[in-house]
Amino acid sequence: AQKITQTQPGMFVQEKEAVTLDCTYDTSDQSYGLFWYKQPSSGEMIFLIYQGSYDEQNATEGRYSLNFQKARKSANLVISASQLGDSAMYFCAMREGKTNAGKSTFGDGTTLTVKP
Amino acid sequence: DGGITQSPKYLFRKEGQNVTLSCEQNLNHDAMYWYRQDPGQGLRLIYYSQIVNDFQKGDIAEGYSVSREKKESFPLTVTSAQKNPTAFYLCASSWGPSNTEAFFGQGTRLTVV
Repeated sequence: AQKITQTQPGMFVQEKEAVTLDCTYDTSDQSYGLFWYKQPSSGEMIFLIYQGSYDEQNATEGRYSLNFQKARKSANLVISASQLGDSAMYFCAMREGKTNAGKSTFGDGTTLTVKP
Repeated sequence: DGGITQSPKYLFRKEGQNVTLSCEQNLNHDAMYWYRQDPGQGLRLIYYSQIVNDFQKGDIAEGYSVSREKKESFPLTVTSAQKNPTAFYLCASSWGPSNTEAFFGQGTRLTVV
């Protein structure tokens, strides 16, 4: 079974509008972490935001926020005020238990296109 | 500037040849990782190392080998036993604590010709 599911292969958003990228996860661990990364066409992976399973508040980093719904096992990324430079592929990842952050399971990604 | 350097950016290999991808970091991170990415897909873990002289297999280690003789370096060898090596390879490193993010290199695109 997929541990990380991103159901939107591609998304479009108008510049300056907000967009939500979906991510659901599957784990039996009580302790886990959720990460979002951005991958521009150049290929490098850029860390955006982190949410721990015990964090009560939703994580926020500038224009990025993570809508964490633990009971539903979802960790959606919200990008506010989209910019043309936000066009990229976005990956949700999960670290289970006490494993290091790098040993994460990644989803298949969502390609976001921001329209002017 | 601190970061992770992967070289080369593009690599072509003939079938049956081994090839080594370089990954160097100057972030003083303990942990280093290799991922493979196929077109339109997410990342899959090949190998990871939490300390020098120690490494573990990831989810798709068959046909690959690594070494970790120095903290800064984690080279990946794609052997002739890897049946479908054409892919994008990403190296990453992290401090070690489980709630810290990974930092990635720019990647190496390997093509078998």
